[in-house]
Amino acid sequence: SQQGEEDPQALSIQEGENATMNCSYKTSINNLQWYRQNSGRGLVHLILIRSNEREKHSGRLRVTLDTSKKSSSLLITASRAADTASYFCAAFPGGTYKYIFGTGTRLKVLA
Amino acid sequence: NAGVTQTPKFRVLKTGQSMTLLCAQDMNHEYMYWYRQDPGMGLRLIHYSVGEGTTAKGEVPDGYNVSRLKKQNFLLGLESAAPSQTSVYFCASIDQQGKSYEQYFGPGTRLTVT
Repeated sequence: SQQGEEDPQALSIQEGENATMNCSYKTSINNLQWYRQNSGRGLVHLILIRSNEREKHSGRLRVTLDTSKKSSSLLITASRAADTASYFCAAFPGGTYKYIFGTGTRLKVLA
Repeated sequence: NAGVTQTPKFRVLKTGQSMTLLCAQDMNHEYMYWYRQDPGMGLRLIHYSVGEGTTAKGEVPDGYNVSRLKKQNFLLGLESAAPSQTSVYFCASIDQQGKSYEQYFGPGTRLTVT
């Protein structure tokens, strides 16, 4: 399969807690992107992290990248009900023109 | 900039009918993509293009054709629709200038084949 792997597949937490999602991929990459998708809507770009970067922040989001383990994680701190959505990672292998998407993590934040 | 736009937003087809989905981007991106997303699933690549006049198959190309006659447009065609093609279709383009390779998505087209 071309798909990357994400875990957990589903995550349910209380408002104010932190949420961590993990993504693994199979080949060396140029960069990796994280997206959010609300139910029935399009994909919203969250963060792009390049292969030579180890960590990136954007507001309450923190993304890490470990190229030796071919994995990335997305941390959402102090979660809110509005963070309820599916989150996808997409890896861009070097030498190709195609992103490889993960299977997604469905996050539910309970108010 | 309008970014990536898709036409139409919704469509219902009968089995065997044909249709074309239009994707347009005004960001001068060379690379464009068509994905499908089935309920509860991730995105699967149908076809892609790395420049005007070029197209290539992705992961699930069967039953679809594409054309890239102009740099800003990428068309996805279904010649004889089947219920298995009921899905949400997303178009995307990549900013390859400056080597960021950030991917931009359109809002999606929801297609139902009965």
